[in-house]
Amino acid sequence: TQLLEQSPQFLSIQEGENLTVYCNSSSVFSSLQWYRQEPGEGPVLLVTVVTGGEVKKLKRLTFQFGDARKDSSLHITAAQPGDTGLYLCAGAGNQFYFGTGTSLTVIP
Amino acid sequence: DTEVTQTPKHLVMGMTNKKSLKCEQHMGHRAMYWYKQKAKKPPELMFVYSYEKLSINESVPSRFSPECPNSSLLNLHLHALQPEDSALYLCASSLEGYTEAFFGQGTRLTVV
Repeated sequence: TQLLEQSPQFLSIQEGENLTVYCNSSSVFSSLQWYRQEPGEGPVLLVTVVTGGEVKKLKRLTFQFGDARKDSSLHITAAQPGDTGLYLCAGAGNQFYFGTGTSLTVIP
Repeated sequence: DTEVTQTPKHLVMGMTNKKSLKCEQHMGHRAMYWYKQKAKKPPELMFVYSYEKLSINESVPSRFSPECPNSSLLNLHLHALQPEDSALYLCASSLEGYTEAFFGQGTRLTVV
């Protein structure tokens, strides 16, 4: 059972554009993580959000946790080719539940 | 230090071989995980160790055998694998069960 749905599944944009990735669930999570993964490498933790409504910024990346702690979004401003990768959300409950993934390609 | 170290980085093995994947962390984490990942798909949970005891086995075939010799080490023993077992195998650890996890770089396994 896939508890976390990400959208879009694939995204190809030009350098400098903005984008938002969504991570949605009907379940409540105690915390939610976002990871970025490059081909052949392990996922790298970007952020953990814990409190409903929480907003965290990491340079050009803005993460938001929904008020009900069921969903989250990742917004990237002025995307760069180095942002290319697979973005995964993961919710913490009685185990980690990974989202379906969003494959982002930023074209120079 | 937020590093999880996996060896080897690449492994090619025949269907009759026996090999082992290794994972090490020195962050004092008490939960360790093995995941299997196919290209452009999310990681799939295989095993969870909590305080050195196997707490979750996600119906993984017996040709995969995990071992946790101590709180810093996690092994995955492989025997009689099939070509469809070719994947990226990821180790992760967290302070306790199901808090934020840190991943190793993975072992790219090819079964021929």
